[in-house]
Amino acid sequence: SQQGEEDPQALSIQEGENATMNCSYKTSINNLQWYRQNSGRGLVHLILIRSNEREKHSGRLRVTLDTSKKSSSLLITASRAADTASYFCATESGYSTLTFGKGTMLLVSP
Amino acid sequence: DTGVSQDPRHKITKRGQNVTFRCDPISEHNRLYWYRQTLGQGPEFLTYFQNEAQLEKSRLLSDRFSAERPKGSFSTLEIQRTEQGDSAMYLCASSLAGVASPLHFGNGTRLTVT
Repeated sequence: SQQGEEDPQALSIQEGENATMNCSYKTSINNLQWYRQNSGRGLVHLILIRSNEREKHSGRLRVTLDTSKKSSSLLITASRAADTASYFCATESGYSTLTFGKGTMLLVSP
Repeated sequence: DTGVSQDPRHKITKRGQNVTFRCDPISEHNRLYWYRQTLGQGPEFLTYFQNEAQLEKSRLLSDRFSAERPKGSFSTLEIQRTEQGDSAMYLCASSLAGVASPLHFGNGTRLTVT
């Protein structure tokens, strides 16, 4: 079963624009993580936010977490063609293993 | 740190055959995970090991699937009597034990059952 649901399913933007992806989940979490996957490759960890944190930054990435709404957002600023990939949120709850959503496909056009 | 490696990258097999995949995790990682991913979906958890102990198995993992990690290092995932529905990308990941340890993924083995 998949705990997280990303929105939108697909996003197409121009280079230099910002991209925002959202993730909603159902149960209480310890932390929420975002991963990127290029076509035909494995997933790469981007950023982790703990349940007691509200916002976190890493380079051009900004993640927010609202535990009252059970939602998170990932913002990629000043996007580049190389950011084209699928982005997944994943939640860790209790002692259970990481559960992934279905992902958002991001296309950044030059 | 050479990353997580998986072998083979691609496997085509006929229905009913057995297949085995191998995963070599990052050497200092004591946790190893197997996930399955189909087109347009996120990875679905199959099973994980801490050292050589298999601590959790998903209900998705039928009796035809078996995973081992005999010496707490590399792992194998075997699928017996493959079915067309087994066609997917099989992803291996490793991590340090503990909460909030990110997963490091290999590039997967793509299985096609004809």
